[in-house]
Order: sequence, then structure tokens, then C-alpha cells
Amino acid sequence: GNSVTQMEGPVTLSEEAFLTINCTYTATGYPSLFWYVQYPGEGLQLLLKATKADDKGSNKGFEATYRKETTSFHLEKGSVQVSDSAVYFCALKDGNFNKFYFGSGTKLNVKP
Amino acid sequence: NAGVMQNPRHLVRRRGQEARLRCSPMKGHSHVYWYRQLPEEGLKFMVYLQKENIIDESGMPKERFSAEFPKEGPSILRIQQVVRGDSAAYFCASSPQGVQDTEAFFGQGTRLTVV
Repeated sequence: GNSVTQMEGPVTLSEEAFLTINCTYTATGYPSLFWYVQYPGEGLQLLLKATKADDKGSNKGFEATYRKETTSFHLEKGSVQVSDSAVYFCALKDGNFNKFYFGSGTKLNVKP
Repeated sequence: NAGVMQNPRHLVRRRGQEARLRCSPMKGHSHVYWYRQLPEEGLKFMVYLQKENIIDESGMPKERFSAEFPKEGPSILRIQQVVRGDSAAYFCASSPQGVQDTEAFFGQGTRLTVV
């Protein structure tokens, strides 16, 4: 079946530190992969996506590469800011059934 | 193009009452998904609907919960005889049909409080 596993939080970093949030998946077909961000009191917003193997999604300094060989889609940012404090969700879309599967979310706290 | 609209944003119900949550998908989107989020927890899938059809309701509790997406009008998530444990944020998302790689677009959520 399909599932997404991401590292548990919270992750606490100082401003300008390097960020990695791990995400691995299992899928029966060829899924698309996504990272969403949720700020307090709000809904989820798409941060970036990748639709096939070796694609790199990027946005606002965040990057993630679709690694089929390791079934991973780790989120990285070279220098985090306080404003990046949020909950980050990794997700996959089953292309056959148009259904989305979400990880449990990782809370990021960035301290000044 | 307006985003996914959910209303109300906040809903307070007494135990035993009914809660009706509405979701208007983005224009042109025919797929709707409902998720529940408890405080400090992740998203729990509830139901996936297309117009006039329930595609997957594997995440819906068997009793008291129902969902519909009629041919005209918004999708409705209905919770009958609410209990304290139903207090949560309920998110709706939509996506278009026939576009395989597109993401789900989320609404701002309805925060249900049962008192």
C-alpha cells in the first residue's frame, strides 16, 4: 500500500542553521511527492512538489529531491529563519486513484 | 480564482447537537477530501468524494459521521450527536480531475469545539 513516514518533531534550530526533515515513502505505483507547510491557525499550503524520479522541487529556499532508489523526499534549507517556524507535512499522491497520503507532520521551531 | 472556501471558520456545539461543515472547492475542481486534525497532531484522512459519489470513506467513523458532495453546491461534512472527542480542526481540500500531478488545495479549516 501507500504510506509516508517523516521524522518526528519538534525540531528546534537557531536562525541561519541548516535544516533537514526526513521523509520516506512506500508506493505501489509512480506517485507525485509534495511538501506542505502549515502555519498556526491556518490550512496547509503547498511548499514544493516533484512529479517524477530525480526531479527537484524548490521554493523559498527549500529544496527536496525525489529519490526513487531510496524512496525518499527529504526537505532541506540552507539557512532557516524565525519565520520558517511551522509544521511541515510530506505527502504523496497515488496517481491511479487520485488519493493523497500525508505524513504525521514535523514541527519546526526556529529561535533567534 | 477563489481558493477552497470553508465555513464556518469556528463552530461551537453542545454535546448532542449536530455540526454541519461546508466546503466549496476551487472552481473547476471535482474532487474533495476531508481531513481531521487534533491539536498538535497530524492530518487524519476521513473521506474522498467526487461529484455525487463517495470514492473512499475508509477514514470516516461508522456512526454519526456522513459526507456528501452534491451535483450543485458545496460539500458537506455532517456530524450528528457531537461529543467532546469530536472537537478538532476539519480541513477540506480539492483537486481537479484528469490532472495527475497536481496538488491538493486546502481550505483554512473549520475549528469545531464541543462544549
